Amino acid sequence: KQEVTQIPAALSVPEGENLVLNCSFTDSAIYNLQWFRQDPGKGLTSLLLIQSSQREQTSGRLNASLDKSSGRSTLYIAASQPGDSATYLCAVRGDRDDKIIFGKGTRLHILP
Amino acid sequence: NAGVTQTPKFQVLKTGQSMTLQCAQDMNHNSMYWYRQDPGMGLRLIYYSASEGTTDKGEVPNGYNVSRLNKREFSLRLESAAPSQTSVYFCASKRPTGIYGYTFGSGTRLTVV
Repeated sequence: KQEVTQIPAALSVPEGENLVLNCSFTDSAIYNLQWFRQDPGKGLTSLLLIQSSQREQTSGRLNASLDKSSGRSTLYIAASQPGDSATYLCAVRGDRDDKIIFGKGTRLHILP
Repeated sequence: NAGVTQTPKFQVLKTGQSMTLQCAQDMNHNSMYWYRQDPGMGLRLIYYSASEGTTDKGEVPNGYNVSRLNKREFSLRLESAAPSQTSVYFCASKRPTGIYGYTFGSGTRLTVV
């Protein structure tokens, strides 16, 4: 059974710092991995999707990497801003079915 | 605007009442999903539908039923609501192929008293 873990559960950093969020998964037989952002009381917004054959994806100040063999992904946020404050969720889709399994998220707070 | 639309946005039910949460997408996606989100538990898959006419159980299907009415619509039904079903429910959809990911609705906040 696939399990997805995100560490830390919460993180506070001063504005302007670069930071890394971590995601690990137990079954390396994945089809893709996706990072989402969720603002309080809102739905999920897709940030980046990495296919199993890819090593990384970039969008603006965000860079996501994937090491399938070790069961790890990281989301790198450069030059953090207060508007980046949100919960970041990692989700994995297995290659045997259409299910996607979420981690519990990292709650990020950027201090002005 | 293209996307996933969920109704209602808020609902309060009494224990034992029934209701149906509606979800519709206008992106011609094959796959649709229902999740619940609870504090400390993250998002958990209730049911999903890989295509019109098919449905499969997820991690927490007990107490729920689903209907894939057509390609656009995927509804979630609570036959006899329980306080343990108090949660925020999200519907999502996905394209059948390609590199695009998942699109989520804005959620339904359900309270069972």
